[in-house]
Amino acid sequence: SAVISQKPSRDICQRGTSLTIQCQVDSQVTMMFWYRQQPGQSLTLIATANQGSEATYESGFVIDKFPISRPNLTFSTLTVSNMSPEDSSIYLCSVATSTLQNEQFFGPGTRLTVL
Amino acid sequence: AQSVSQHNHHVILSEAASLELGCNYSYGGTVNLFWYVQYPGQHLQLLLKYFSGDPLVKGIKGFEAEFIKSKFSFNLRKPSVQWSDTAEYFCAVRGQAGTALIFGKGTTLSVSS
Repeated sequence: SAVISQKPSRDICQRGTSLTIQCQVDSQVTMMFWYRQQPGQSLTLIATANQGSEATYESGFVIDKFPISRPNLTFSTLTVSNMSPEDSSIYLCSVATSTLQNEQFFGPGTRLTVL
Repeated sequence: AQSVSQHNHHVILSEAASLELGCNYSYGGTVNLFWYVQYPGQHLQLLLKYFSGDPLVKGIKGFEAEFIKSKFSFNLRKPSVQWSDTAEYFCAVRGQAGTALIFGKGTTLSVSS
């Protein structure tokens, strides 16, 4: 399996500020994804982080609000920009690798509270 | 576009009762199907998965699921639930390789002892 770590594990931020979440994987992976899980809700895919190119965003999510970087096969960042209370959520990094039957693994998540 | 529908929002059972959680998906091609569980305060864990072959798949903790292609369904079952099964259960689907999982809205299972 792939072991995923995220930093920070939780944070409380002020409205209008930005937070960058880091995702580190213990092995090289083909695919990296970012999800959001709002309180009491299911997981919603934000974007696919592509190595060496711009991320692919799902409907309703834009690069200006959620810029993503993926400089190599083991690391990615998600920034939540100009935050509002509606951005309070758990943000999860997820990875998939073709060597493990494309199973998808999830990180522990970053719990963000925006005041 | 792919979508996943979970029929039950909240299921309440007594210990030893049988469980079946419904999941239907919408996708025209070959799919991979998954059930994940999220215990209170913990992160997602994979319960079981279906890629191909035997449509009845067995997972961890006594759970199983049956893929019925004609019904576009992948229902989760357990013959006898325990209090420790109290959790949120998510059905997820993925189409072509290399794409991300799409999740259903989840079902909250509460088991009373």
